[in-house]
Amino acid sequence: DTAVSQTPKYLVTQMGNDKSIKCEQNLGHDTMYWYKQDSKKFLKIMFSYNNKELIINETVPNRFSPKSPDKAHLNLHINSLELGDSAVYFCASSQGDRTNYGYTFGSGTRLTVV
Amino acid sequence: KNQVEQSPQSLIILEGKNCTLQCNYTVSPFSNLRWYKQDTGRGPVSLTIMTFSENTKSNGRYTATLDADTKQSSLHITASQLSDSASYICVVSPASGGSYIPTFGRGTSLIVHP
Repeated sequence: DTAVSQTPKYLVTQMGNDKSIKCEQNLGHDTMYWYKQDSKKFLKIMFSYNNKELIINETVPNRFSPKSPDKAHLNLHINSLELGDSAVYFCASSQGDRTNYGYTFGSGTRLTVV
Repeated sequence: KNQVEQSPQSLIILEGKNCTLQCNYTVSPFSNLRWYKQDTGRGPVSLTIMTFSENTKSNGRYTATLDADTKQSSLHITASQLSDSASYICVVSPASGGSYIPTFGRGTSLIVHP
């Protein structure tokens, strides 16, 4: 199936731990994103990579570090997890770095920090 | 500041009834407006995209309208089904700006009861 897939789907961890979320797309898109959806369902962009190059880096704590080994993968590493990091994290991709093309979203990773 | 406001915040209707969701935006200059449907536990999926010159666009039982002069859009759902229960998110993209970051609304949560 052509899709954006992210793992894990659920992640429960203690404060202070370091964790990673992986994302892969097989749509041939050249731009990938990480979005955070808070408890009020508001989606907020965190990062965007175009052909492995960081093009959007919103005001995100530097505990969050994205890595794109190739244009089909965009991983998110989070250091020293805090309670406020609990949210659903969505990976998305699009063809081109202009949002006119629309996004294809993954199913999300629900991160719970306890 | 670019903003997207959606109303109502939540809506409950009976199966078979019609409903209309509203989206007002201040994004300027305007490029396009998308409506996304987000099922519980899933990522958003694009329903329609509308550009400046388009007034109406349909996708099955979903019909989106756009008034670029008043900066308003609506999503009309005809003959609702239980599977329409979801969050509907309005997303407006700018025509310029260094990173072309779209602005997301907070969504309307629709519940369709049998």
